[in-house]
Amino acid sequence: DTAVSQTPKYLVTQMGNDKSIKCEQNLGHDTMYWYKQDSKKFLKIMFSYNNKELIINETVPNRFSPKSPDKAHLNLHINSLELGDSAVYFCASSLALAGSFEQYFGPGTRLTVT
Amino acid sequence: KQEVTQIPAALSVPEGENLVLNCSFTDSAIYNLQWFRQDPGKGLTSLLLIQSSQREQTSGRLNASLDKSSGRSTLYIAASQPGDSATYLCAVRGSQGNLIFGKGTKLSVKP
Repeated sequence: DTAVSQTPKYLVTQMGNDKSIKCEQNLGHDTMYWYKQDSKKFLKIMFSYNNKELIINETVPNRFSPKSPDKAHLNLHINSLELGDSAVYFCASSLALAGSFEQYFGPGTRLTVT
Repeated sequence: KQEVTQIPAALSVPEGENLVLNCSFTDSAIYNLQWFRQDPGKGLTSLLLIQSSQREQTSGRLNASLDKSSGRSTLYIAASQPGDSATYLCAVRGSQGNLIFGKGTKLSVKP
């Protein structure tokens, strides 16, 4: 009964490959997010979606493309992977965009690009 | 642009001490503030959520305060234990719904 789940947990791939990370929440939330935690452990927003609509695209290279097939899912596809993409990617959700709701985080996906 | 700063970056204390972690933010127009804990190689565990209209929240040995007008929050940990060793992250919720994080305080509690 995990609230926010991500797959895979670990992803090791070579430069130039294309990969996807999946996120699902079973909380009935409207809003979902992708955050990136870099090698210095700094967490920063990448994207947010509300009811399947893109709200935030925070100066992320267009090699990153989020897709939200429904409110419960927000997947992250990355094309032409680069060494600098190595990081931990966290998915999160909150009840709604407006208002002051708590965010719930998934366990993270550790991406290593070699 | 909202910026969140956490001081100190690292802290080492003997078991049993009470301690305070500090968080400051530059724009007082926040919706709420969350404190998280992150263990090495793990995800984020939400500890406390303080709404912008609140002054403090308590959970067990943890107490978080918020002074929105001065852009500051503190996380007080009473009677620290080795199991409290982790990185503590402060984050404020902005107008677009996303969280803006500080760089964290790495806490080590020595037995």
